[in-house]
Amino acid sequence: GENVEQHPSTLSVQEGDSAVIKCTYSDSASNYFPWYKQELGKGPQLIIDIRSNVGEKKDQRIAVTLNKTAKHFSLHITETQPEDSAVYFCAASQAGTALIFGKGTTLSVSS
Amino acid sequence: GAVVSQHPSWVICKSGTSVKIECRSLDFQATTMFWYRQFPKQSLMLMATSNEGSKATYEQGVEKDKFLINHASLTLSTLTVTSAHPEDSSFYICSAKAGGTTDTQYFGPGTRLTVL
Repeated sequence: GENVEQHPSTLSVQEGDSAVIKCTYSDSASNYFPWYKQELGKGPQLIIDIRSNVGEKKDQRIAVTLNKTAKHFSLHITETQPEDSAVYFCAASQAGTALIFGKGTTLSVSS
Repeated sequence: GAVVSQHPSWVICKSGTSVKIECRSLDFQATTMFWYRQFPKQSLMLMATSNEGSKATYEQGVEKDKFLINHASLTLSTLTVTSAHPEDSSFYICSAKAGGTTDTQYFGPGTRLTVL
């Protein structure tokens, strides 16, 4: 089955810096890669997703890149703000199947 | 965006009792709902996949007789933790996926279960 590795487990940046979180997946049949942000005591919130027919997607300060050949995808957050501090999870799935999550990255943005 | 609600948001119960958690898709019809369990500072672990009108599919190691899942309508799925014990204390989160070709899953806010 699918296995998703996520790095780093913790990331500390200064406000205004960029943050990059990387994930690799094992199943070449996976074709959907979402990223979720989870704040303490809350459910995950979808922040951006990408499908395997696209190499990059941007939404304001957030971007995701996908390299199908290497089977890895990354989340890029630019101009980080304290409110970006949270746990970020990557996930992978095939169409119609359940998401398999990475172990999460705790992002801390200090002002 | 699509909204998924869960009720209750937290519950405390005595060991041996049963607890029901509801998951509702508020503004879309969810043909598939998923139930996850999350321990502190850990990732989400899939417990089961629930399709409307059919039996849930449980992940390996999840006791189907202990975690009863019912997906009776396109907007409601329930998880019942039967004969709960302290080791069942956890954060339970549901997600919902609309029908068709969409892959997007929307998560509920979670339910914190504490078993004394």
